[in-house]
Formats: sequence, structure tokens, C-alpha cells
Amino acid sequence: GAVVSQHPSRVICKSGTSVKIECRSLDFQATTMFWYRQFPKQSLMLMATSNEGSKATYEQGVEKDKFLINHASLTLSTLTVTSAHPEDSSFYICSASDDRDSIYTFGSGTRLTVV
Amino acid sequence: AQSVTQPDIHITVSEGASLELRCNYSYGATPYLFWYVQSPGQGLQLLLKYFSGDTLVQGIKGFEAEFKRSQSSFNLRKPSVHWSDAAEYFCAVGAIQAGTALIFGKGTTLSVSS
Repeated sequence: GAVVSQHPSRVICKSGTSVKIECRSLDFQATTMFWYRQFPKQSLMLMATSNEGSKATYEQGVEKDKFLINHASLTLSTLTVTSAHPEDSSFYICSASDDRDSIYTFGSGTRLTVV
Repeated sequence: AQSVTQPDIHITVSEGASLELRCNYSYGATPYLFWYVQSPGQGLQLLLKYFSGDTLVQGIKGFEAEFKRSQSSFNLRKPSVHWSDAAEYFCAVGAIQAGTALIFGKGTTLSVSS
């Protein structure tokens, strides 16, 4: 079945630094990738949608200059949290879709803690 | 507006008892419907999905769900719950149109008592 690898699974960084999270589709071409954020005990909130080779589409209220998304290939998308602050601490999850089969496969998530 | 409602925030069932988790959706187009399960600190695992055809869908781990268009519902069921089923369950809806993000409900936490 379709597999999405997300790294790192856990990261702690200092306030003001940047953190990059990678999301890779291992056995299919991910035409579209989605980035979600999940607060404790809450649901997944869509942050942005990215299509290979084009700029990401951000949801209302999500700062595109703070959460940089790159989808340079059909198997890799990255989310960079720039100038991280403690309020950015959260669980980030990516999802990849090959569009053809409308299959949405999720990564295992990244726990970001900003200290 | 497009939305997914999971009315039950937290449910506790006894091991071996039956389970039903409710999900209602509001969607402007023909929906694709999904149920995912999430263990603490983990990603989401797909339990089952409905695209079309038979409205009773079988999934992994003994779960099933029934699509009822007239009630805009897609309830998840399991005849006999195991302690390992304790987790967070999310219902989600998406469009047939490719590349559309899923919309998630707020989730239901399932606890299993012995």
C-alpha cells in the first residue's frame, strides 16, 4: 500500500530558529500534498495544499512567510517553520494524494517543541 | 458550509461490547467519506472509506461503516471492542475532485474498560 514517510518524528528547537519537516511518498507519486496542524486533544486543521512545481495554497489565517512549503518533486514536500516561537509548538502531519485514486495517505507526524 | 460533526467527544465501552461512533457531514458535492484512527503521538491510519456502491463498507480491524445519504451520516461500528481499540477516531469528508483536502471532524476519544 501507499506509504508516506515524515521526518523528523520529534524535534526540539530554540525560539527564533527554523525547523524543516520532510514528507516523502515512498511508493507513489504525490501530485498533491497537504499539511495539517493538530493541537492537543483537537482535530486536524488544514494549513496548506501544495501541488508539485507550483506555489502552495494557504488556508486563511496561516502565515505563508512563517510556514514555508516546498513541493519540488512528486515524492517530496517540505514544511519549514521559520523564526519559530513557543506558540508554534504543535503536532504537524502531512498527507499525500496521487489524485488518480483519491487515496490520502498520512505521515506519522512531527512533534515540534519550541523552547 | 462544508463540515463534519462527531457529536460524541468521549465514549467509554466495555471490552467485548459493541461500538458505534457517529459522524454527520455537510458537503456541497458528492462526498468521499473516511474514518481514521490515531493513537497518541502517532499519525492517522485509514480504517475504511466510502466512495460509491454498497453503502455498508468493511474496513480493517473488524470495523464497518454505513453511509446513509438521507441522514448525511457515516457511522462507524464494531460488534466487539478490544482494549487495543482505545484511541482517537476521526471522520473525514473529501470531494471526488482530485487534489481536494479532507475536512475532519473534531474526533471521538474511545476508552475501553475491562
